[in-house]
Amino acid sequence: DAGVTQSPTHLIKTRGQHVTLRCSPISGHKSVSWYQQVLGQGPQFIFQYYEKEERGRGNFPDRFSARQFPNYSSELNVNALLLGDSALYLCASSNRADSYEQYFGPGTRLTVT
Amino acid sequence: DQQVKQNSPSLSVQEGRISILNCDYTNSMFDYFLWYKKYPAEGPTFLISISSIKDKNEDGRFTVFLNKSAKHLSLHIVPSQPGDSAVYFCAAGGQGAQKLVFGQGTRLTINP
Repeated sequence: DAGVTQSPTHLIKTRGQHVTLRCSPISGHKSVSWYQQVLGQGPQFIFQYYEKEERGRGNFPDRFSARQFPNYSSELNVNALLLGDSALYLCASSNRADSYEQYFGPGTRLTVT
Repeated sequence: DQQVKQNSPSLSVQEGRISILNCDYTNSMFDYFLWYKKYPAEGPTFLISISSIKDKNEDGRFTVFLNKSAKHLSLHIVPSQPGDSAVYFCAAGGQGAQKLVFGQGTRLTINP
């Protein structure tokens, strides 16, 4: 069975631009969460979506937004990119909204120059 | 405010010996704890978890211990194998939704 997939693998953007990252959860999983991992740190929670509704939001500015589609895939959008947004963006899925056991994709490496 | 801390950035262990990775937390609302392993260029892989109602959980070579009074958990790997070389993250949940709070990670190196 396919695991969590994310696209693109790598991305280079310029300050001020916007970016869209994509995630497909494990088949049958309805919950998707997004995390940001800065080099040398652990992943930091950004959003959780379940059944297309936002269930949780971390301490990130409004420049960060996300949505979930009817097929449970998800997009993370970041506007007005800053140098500090450079990070590995991880998507995780689980089969229940209240399950802490999440399965991560390989991530998208975003570099902002 | 670092609610989950892994104070050892790195750990080196000889193959066949026990590896012990430690994690401390400050938030008493956490009620579920997990360990993830991460290889380069891959996402974190779930390893083992423990609920706050237990003090030990075992899965093969991996055992997680939870000391609620000390707000401390540890991961024991016995015996350590070269394939265990990776970055290990502890994570805690319990603040609602599926928000996991991760530690900074410990890089484990198993030497032959």
